[in-house]
Amino acid sequence: EAGVAQSPRYKIIEKRQSVAFWCNPISGHATLYWYQQILGQGPKLLIQFQNNGVVDDSQLPKDRFSAERLKGVDSTLKIQPAKLEDSAVYLCASSSSTDTQYFGPGTRLTVL
Amino acid sequence: KQEVTQIPAALSVPEGENLVLNCSFTDSAIYNLQWFRQDPGKGLTSLLLIQSSQREQTSGRLNASLDKSSGRSTLYIAASQPGDSATYLCALTGNQFYFGTGTSLTVIP
Repeated sequence: EAGVAQSPRYKIIEKRQSVAFWCNPISGHATLYWYQQILGQGPKLLIQFQNNGVVDDSQLPKDRFSAERLKGVDSTLKIQPAKLEDSAVYLCASSSSTDTQYFGPGTRLTVL
Repeated sequence: KQEVTQIPAALSVPEGENLVLNCSFTDSAIYNLQWFRQDPGKGLTSLLLIQSSQREQTSGRLNASLDKSSGRSTLYIAASQPGDSATYLCALTGNQFYFGTGTSLTVIP
């Protein structure tokens, strides 16, 4: 079974630029999550999708972050414009229920 | 708001030693608790999942317990090996999904 795929693995941008991350969940998983993990901290949930609908986006900074999951499969997370404090690893996870989540390798973003 | 704390933040032990990692939480209204492992530069791998109605789960050398009344979970690792070196995170599912800050474990050969 293929795991959760994410790209790119690394991204370096300057502040005020925009960036997008892509996630392909495990086939058949209805639930998809995006997390932000700042160095030395645990992951923080940004947004949770159930199929193509948003279940929870309460911690998503909506003035600069956006996410979509068209057709209930792949998802993209966008930051525009980026700030220095957005430097983090962005993790995507998927699950077929409310139980075990399967995580991708993450995208490490550095904002200069 | 749920607060999840993991102590210690870092731990070094000699190979073969048994060890316990701790996870504390403030809101006992949870659905389940999971322990994850995170290796440098990689995503998270689920180790054990304890449902709210359960007290513990075991997998190989790992045993996780859950005490909702005291707001605590422990992860017991028996006969530690250098390959166990990683960061261990606990996560709670309640109204939202909350992660602890993690314990960085180093097992010295």
